[in-house]
Amino acid sequence: GAGVSQSPSNKVTEKGKDVELRCDPISGHTALYWYRQSLGQGLEFLIYFQGNSAPDKSGLPSDRFSAERTGGSVSTLTIQRTQQEDSAVYLCASSLGGGVTHNEQFFGPGTRLTVL
Amino acid sequence: AQSVTQPDIHITVSEGASLELRCNYSYGATPYLFWYVQSPGQGLQLLLKYFSGDTLVQGIKGFEAEFKRSQSSFNLRKPSVHWSDAAEYFCAAPSNTGKLIFGQGTTLQVKP
Repeated sequence: GAGVSQSPSNKVTEKGKDVELRCDPISGHTALYWYRQSLGQGLEFLIYFQGNSAPDKSGLPSDRFSAERTGGSVSTLTIQRTQQEDSAVYLCASSLGGGVTHNEQFFGPGTRLTVL
Repeated sequence: AQSVTQPDIHITVSEGASLELRCNYSYGATPYLFWYVQSPGQGLQLLLKYFSGDTLVQGIKGFEAEFKRSQSSFNLRKPSVHWSDAAEYFCAAPSNTGKLIFGQGTTLQVKP
């Protein structure tokens, strides 16, 4: 596809369950970012991938959150033992290169996670 | 620490009126700056960006923004607002690892 895609678009889960969120970046984009958007917190950075490595994981809120990227392409964000405060929209973005740059980050439509 | 501030949480303008959304940044060097728009239920779309050269930047949908170093500002403007411009607008700048630091967002409501 032409843009960043994310799946699922919506996920409802019970507290304590694990969830996996998927991001397919634009082909050829080496940089991939995960952000979280929640009421009252705005847009928060979670993790940045350059290729398959993650030089910046500073935004992951706890060790329940992890992410990986394989083949320099698809990324999966995993949240273990979900809590109600994890409810948010999780956004993925990709760009041609990382670092301080004017390269545009292209955003996917997001995954809305609801933890009951 | 680097920061981006949007002082106005919510703005209401009448259709056809002019619009200015404020953004202030704190950086040492000349920053890269972006404005994104998010329509309800949608992802973020880039409106425009500044990285060097002319301080007045033209974007999509008739938007423009002016970089003013002396005021540490990058305000977004549109001469005549359309009802379809109702959305949330975010100013952002990249940190040293490229992650975007976003302002708090400004919700624009357009009155008919």
